[in-house]
Amino acid sequence: GAGVSQSPSNKVTEKGKDVELRCDPISGHTALYWYRQSLGQGLEFLIYFQGNSAPDKSGLPSDRFSAERTGGSVSTLTIQRTQQEDSAVYLCASSPHRGPPGAEAFFGQGTRLTVV
Amino acid sequence: AQSVTQLDSHVSVSEGTPVLLRCNYSSSYSPSLFWYVQHPNKGLQLLLKYTSAATLVKGINGFEAEFKKSETSFHLTKPSAHMSDAAEYFCVVTVSGGYNKLIFGAGTRLAVHP
Repeated sequence: GAGVSQSPSNKVTEKGKDVELRCDPISGHTALYWYRQSLGQGLEFLIYFQGNSAPDKSGLPSDRFSAERTGGSVSTLTIQRTQQEDSAVYLCASSPHRGPPGAEAFFGQGTRLTVV
Repeated sequence: AQSVTQLDSHVSVSEGTPVLLRCNYSSSYSPSLFWYVQHPNKGLQLLLKYTSAATLVKGINGFEAEFKKSETSFHLTKPSAHMSDAAEYFCVVTVSGGYNKLIFGAGTRLAVHP
């Protein structure tokens, strides 16, 4: 597609339920990132995929969070047993290059998750 | 470890006056630095980037930033603010070593008054 696509754009879920957030990166981009933006806060790094390398999961806040990237393309972020503090906008970005000089990351519109 | 500090959480200027958004970084290596803008209810957009070429970088919408290694700064400026510049601005540094993990600053909210 023309840009990074995320779905759903909005998700309201009950506390304790599992949710899946999807990201379709720009075709051919080898790097994919997930970030979280809580209300009034900056972006919090969650996880980074680069090609076939093992992902950097160092930003995942708990073991309730996991992510996969199938076939080096689409990625799914899963949050199990959601809590109210998980409410945030989840942003996905993709980038065409591996390393410096820094390549621009293209961001999706995000998924706004509300846990009630 | 790499990090980035945006020195002001909020900046307010009058339309037509200069804009200065301050950013300091910490990096053990020669960093790549970016400024992203986020307008209300819109996605993040790249304003400009520094990747070890010219230290004065020009971006979109009249913005520019100067990389100063001695001061570990990458401040964003614009000579004359426009109402449409009101947004959240993020300074970003990449992790070194062939690994494009992005580290975001906390953001600066720019308000532009008539």
